[in-house]
Amino acid sequence: NAGVTQTPKFQVLKTGQSMTLQCAQDMNHNSMYWYRQDPGMGLRLIYYSASEGTTDKGEVPNGYNVSRLNKREFSLRLESAAPSQTSVYFCASIENRRSTDTQYFGPGTRLTVL
Amino acid sequence: AQSVTQLGSHVSVSEGALVLLRCNYSSSVPPYLFWYVQYPNQGLQLLLKYTTGATLVKGINGFEAEFKKSETSFHLTKPSAHMSDAAEYFCAVISSGTYKYIFGTGTRLKVLA
Repeated sequence: NAGVTQTPKFQVLKTGQSMTLQCAQDMNHNSMYWYRQDPGMGLRLIYYSASEGTTDKGEVPNGYNVSRLNKREFSLRLESAAPSQTSVYFCASIENRRSTDTQYFGPGTRLTVL
Repeated sequence: AQSVTQLGSHVSVSEGALVLLRCNYSSSVPPYLFWYVQYPNQGLQLLLKYTTGATLVKGINGFEAEFKKSETSFHLTKPSAHMSDAAEYFCAVISSGTYKYIFGTGTRLKVLA
């Protein structure tokens, strides 16, 4: 049981390049989230997927797109990377659609945009 | 709208001393409150959570937190700090029926030998 996995762990991009961050969970969880973490700003929600087939914007969705490929996988795409998107990205999942559920986090992807 | 405020971005305590990390929330409806811990280069993991019932919540590694509705607070405490407690701690709030967690900006705890 690997929990939540993210690939890649590190990535360096040039401004304007595109890339997809991958996230997968093997806990049969229904809901999945993408956050970014910046110094002094805590975690900010980019997009979330309450269940397979649905996605919704979070607090900072501009510049990102997501795909809930199936119940296990939730990817985050940067179409044209900008230096402001330099951050650490975390994927998380929860079992059901209950607000009391615990979030399980992946180890993060450290992205630098030059 | 919900919000979370963590007072003190950095807190230093001596090993064996009391740990107190502050969290205040704003919510128009009864909130669910969480404390998460992040060790260097890792994701976040749950320390404890308050949903309903007893207002004093015990978590892992000897931490506990008390929900005080009158003070809109959910401060995290541990009677005796250990070197392994050095990490960043995040308070989070969510309202019933929603899926959007709101995280505080975090408090980095340093434990001095």
